[in-house]
Amino acid sequence: DTAVSQTPKYLVTQMGNDKSIKCEQNLGHDTMYWYKQDSKKFLKIMFSYNNKELIINETVPNRFSPKSPDKAHLNLHINSLELGDSAVYFCASSPLRDYGYTFGSGTRLTVV
Amino acid sequence: DQQVKQNSPSLSVQEGRISILNCDYTNSMFDYFLWYKKYPAEGPTFLISISSIKDKNEDGRFTVFLNKSAKHLSLHIVPSQPGDSAVYFCAASEGTYKYIFGTGTRLKVLA
Repeated sequence: DTAVSQTPKYLVTQMGNDKSIKCEQNLGHDTMYWYKQDSKKFLKIMFSYNNKELIINETVPNRFSPKSPDKAHLNLHINSLELGDSAVYFCASSPLRDYGYTFGSGTRLTVV
Repeated sequence: DQQVKQNSPSLSVQEGRISILNCDYTNSMFDYFLWYKKYPAEGPTFLISISSIKDKNEDGRFTVFLNKSAKHLSLHIVPSQPGDSAVYFCAASEGTYKYIFGTGTRLKVLA
């Protein structure tokens, strides 16, 4: 199936741990994104890569680091997890900005 | 400061009637707008878009209207179907890949 797939779907972890969320798209899109949906359901962009180059880097803590080994993958690594990091994280990709995004199904991160 | 606002958190509509979802924005530099639909436990799905050079775009049962002077856009769904029940997000960008999303409106279509 052509899609944006992210793993894991659910992630429960303790404060202070380091975790990664993986994202892969097989749509041939050049641009990939990470969005965070907070408890108020607000979808906010975190990062975007275009052909492995970082093009959007919003104000997020340094504990969050995206990594793009190739244009089909954009992983999100989070160090020293905090309670406030609990949210649903969505990966997305797009061919051009005017075509909108294709989103993954989300990763629900719970920090306890 | 929220640049894209969906002031109605929820909306209920009878099946077969029109659903109108509203979105307001504050940044006059926004030039491209999108609507997404989201079912529980799934990612948002792209529905329809509109460029600032247009005031209307149609795709089947979905029509988006843009009023630039009022900084307002709306999504019309006619006729509404139970399968349309979902959360709808509007999003806007100003010439970049970065889209700002509203907080969503939960639409419930009653059979």
